[in-house]
Order: sequence, then C-alpha cells, then structure tokens
Amino acid sequence: NAGVTQTPKFQVLKTGQSMTLQCAQDMNHNSMYWYRQDPGMGLRLIYYSASEGTTDKGEVPNGYNVSRLNKREFSLRLESAAPSQTSVYFCASKEFDVTSYNSPLHFGNGTRLTVT
Amino acid sequence: DAKTTQPPSMDCAEGRAANLPCNHSTISGNEYVYWYRQIHSQGPQYIIHGLKNNETNEMASLIITEDRKSSTLILPHATLRDTAVYYCIVRVWGDMRFGAGTRLTVKP
Repeated sequence: NAGVTQTPKFQVLKTGQSMTLQCAQDMNHNSMYWYRQDPGMGLRLIYYSASEGTTDKGEVPNGYNVSRLNKREFSLRLESAAPSQTSVYFCASKEFDVTSYNSPLHFGNGTRLTVT
Repeated sequence: DAKTTQPPSMDCAEGRAANLPCNHSTISGNEYVYWYRQIHSQGPQYIIHGLKNNETNEMASLIITEDRKSSTLILPHATLRDTAVYYCIVRVWGDMRFGAGTRLTVKP
C-alpha cells in the first residue's frame, strides 16, 4: 500500500516549457487535491477534484490545468512554465462521501519544480 | 470558511508537553478542526481532528473550548522528532486550505 505517489520527485524546466505532474493514490479515495508550497510559506490550493469527473479551482489556479483521469489519478499540467511557478507541489487525497466527509487528507512527498 | 490564527513559532523542551493554540472565532456549527504537521520538506501528516468534544489518539490530544472559538493541540511528551510546522485548519469538506502554521522547535 503505497498511499499517494507523485512523479517526478524533481524537475527543472526552462521558461515556456510544458510538463505534467502525475499523482496516483491506491486508497480508493474519491477526492484529490493539488497544492503548491513556496519557500517559508504554507500550502496553497491550486485545484481539487471532489469526485471522479469533477474539478474545481482553488486559491491559485492561474497557469495550471488539471485532469482527473480516473479515480486513482489526478494530474497537474503547466502549459507554459514561468519562474513564478518554481515551488514544491503536493498531491493529496481523501475519502469524500456522506458518511466520511470529515476524513483527513493523505499527502504525497511532493515534486520539487524549478523553472529557470 | 472560518479563518484560523496561530502563533508563528514556539519552543518546547524535550520530554515536556507542547501546547499549540489556534483561534478560530468565526467557526460555524458544522465545521471541524483539523491539525496537520509538516516535518522538514515532507508532505503534511494528519494528526487529529474534532468537532466539539475533546479528542485523543496515539499522537496527540485536541482540546476544543466550549464555544468552539479556539482549540489547543497537545503533544504530551515532545521529542526532537516532533520539531515541525503545525497547521490548524477549520473546514467541513471540499477544499482544505492551509495557513502559515506554527513552527514548533523541540529543544534538548
């Protein structure tokens, strides 16, 4: 049981390049999330998917797109990377149904992205 | 969403109890209080959550005031490995938004 797996662990991009951050969970959770964390700051929500087939914007969605590929996988895409997107990106998942709406988030170990 | 206020940093002696406060004066009746921590640059780790009753698990205790406007996370016997940033979040469901948290340093 791996929990939440993020790939890659590290990535360096040049300004204008695109890439997709991958996230997969094996806990059969309905909800999945993407956060970014800049140095010395807390986590900020980029996008989330309450259930398969739905996605919603969080606090800082500009410059990103997401795809909920299936129940297990939730990807984050940077179409044209900018230096301001240099950050650590965390994916998380949680159960989401009427009986467990207060269940906690489970996080991956992050992708460290540098845009030069 | 109810906003939370936490002190930016705290110190605690190893072996002593660490008491981390959180104010959430605008909390609504169905919002839960969650605590997470982040050790170094790892992904945040869930600690505990509660609605209005005090809660305890193998990691910590959560004390919520009767008016629910504040709470305290208690690590009963802090160790050096408890040095981390601790986040208090108030939410029902949907998106979970983190603030800056409290940086707890456990000292020998």
